[in-house]
Amino acid sequence: DGGITQSPKYLFRKEGQNVTLSCEQNLNHDAMYWYRQDPGQGLRLIYYSQIVNDFQKGDIAEGYSVSREKKESFPLTVTSAQKNPTAFYLCASSPGRINQPQHFGDGTRLSIL
Amino acid sequence: AQRVTQPEKLLSVFKGAPVELKCNYSYSGSPELFWYVQYSRQRLQLLLRHISRESIKGFTADLNKGETSFHLKKPFAQEEDSAMYYCALGPNAGGTSYGKLTFGQGTILTVHP
Repeated sequence: DGGITQSPKYLFRKEGQNVTLSCEQNLNHDAMYWYRQDPGQGLRLIYYSQIVNDFQKGDIAEGYSVSREKKESFPLTVTSAQKNPTAFYLCASSPGRINQPQHFGDGTRLSIL
Repeated sequence: AQRVTQPEKLLSVFKGAPVELKCNYSYSGSPELFWYVQYSRQRLQLLLRHISRESIKGFTADLNKGETSFHLKKPFAQEEDSAMYYCALGPNAGGTSYGKLTFGQGTILTVHP
C-alpha cells in the first residue's frame, strides 16, 4: 500500500561517508518524523517537522541533519559525525494536530562496512 | 520531561490465556496515549488510542491517571497476536510540540499454541 515510502530498504556506508535516507508521503500530512530503532531501546526521535521549511531536533539529533523543502518529502542525512549509525531508521507522518496517530514507513536498515 | 516505561521486554503466554502488556508514563500535562503494534515483516501501525475508547482485535486499554498507566489487555490471546507492541505518549493540548510522540522500549509478545 502507499502512504509513506522509505528508500532504500538496505543501505551500506563506509566510515567517513555521509548518506541520505529518503522518505516520501502522499497522505497530505503536515508533520513528518524520523526515528531510530535499536534493540531494547524502542523508538527514539531524531528530528521532526510540523510544516514545510521548518524542523526541530528530537532527542538524539547529533550527527544527523534534515530538510523539509516540500510537504511530501523529509530526507534524513546521517553524517560522519554520527558515531554509531548502524540502526533501523523509521520515517512517520501525521496530520500534525493533536490526537492524530502517526503513520509509518517500512524502514531503512543502515549498516557500516 | 515525558517518559514511557514498558517494564517487560518479553512476554510469553499460551493461546487462550489472558494477556496484559504494561505501560506506565510520566507527564505533567494532559496525556494522549496510544498503542502501536509491529507484526513480523509488517510496518509499525496504530492499534488503539485511549481517546477512542474502542476495542481493536479484542484488545482494550484504559487510561488510569491515578496510577499513570495505560496497560493493554486481551482476555484470550491468539497466536496471531504475537508481535512487538509499543506504548506511546503525546500531548493532549496545543503548543509547539503537538503531534510529537514519546515511545516506550517495546514488549515482544509471543503467544504459544
